[in-house]
Amino acid sequence: AQRVTQPEKLLSVFKGAPVELKCNYSYSGSPELFWYVQYSRQRLQLLLRHISRESIKGFTADLNKGETSFHLKKPFAQEEDSAMYYCALRGEYGNKLVFGAGTILRVKS
Amino acid sequence: DTAVSQTPKYLVTQMGNDKSIKCEQNLGHDTMYWYKQDSKKFLKIMFSYNNKELIINETVPNRFSPKSPDKAHLNLHINSLELGDSAVYFCASSQYWTLTPLDTQYFGPGTRLTVL
Repeated sequence: AQRVTQPEKLLSVFKGAPVELKCNYSYSGSPELFWYVQYSRQRLQLLLRHISRESIKGFTADLNKGETSFHLKKPFAQEEDSAMYYCALRGEYGNKLVFGAGTILRVKS
Repeated sequence: DTAVSQTPKYLVTQMGNDKSIKCEQNLGHDTMYWYKQDSKKFLKIMFSYNNKELIINETVPNRFSPKSPDKAHLNLHINSLELGDSAVYFCASSQYWTLTPLDTQYFGPGTRLTVL
């Protein structure tokens, strides 16, 4: 079964502090992992995906198959990073996404 | 110019009523989806259509009936609304159903349904 776990419901950090949003997954095949972000009153949008190995808005995420993790990191948080972050997994059967429960990131000034 | 649009944005209705939510995408995508985001913000897929054909139906009560008149539209009709149906419903689309490495899903703005 495909499952995505985001253990933190809320993560509160000060501006300029490092951020790590945790994501662990359960899947027996070769998954594709994504991070989606939902800013206040806006639609869900793709932040980054592991296959692209890119950095978006200063965020990076590395797929660790040994630990089955795909944690999202940013060295210096900014207030505009405050949002809901969802980790999602796509298995080998079509374009079906399984989402984690989401983590609210609050960056305080 | 919106890529994925939904109407209405807000829907408040009484228990037992029947209501519909409409979704349209102008991206030329083949595949469309409905997701439900509950009060705890948990996001779960309900349905997926590819070229007007149903390909995912995730243990959703049969009071929910999706309809895809063409591949640019996927509507969601809900019969006999219950309190537990209160949620935000998101429509999404992607280029294909089959896996392509750089394909992704584009989401609509959501419809907040409140059942009283």
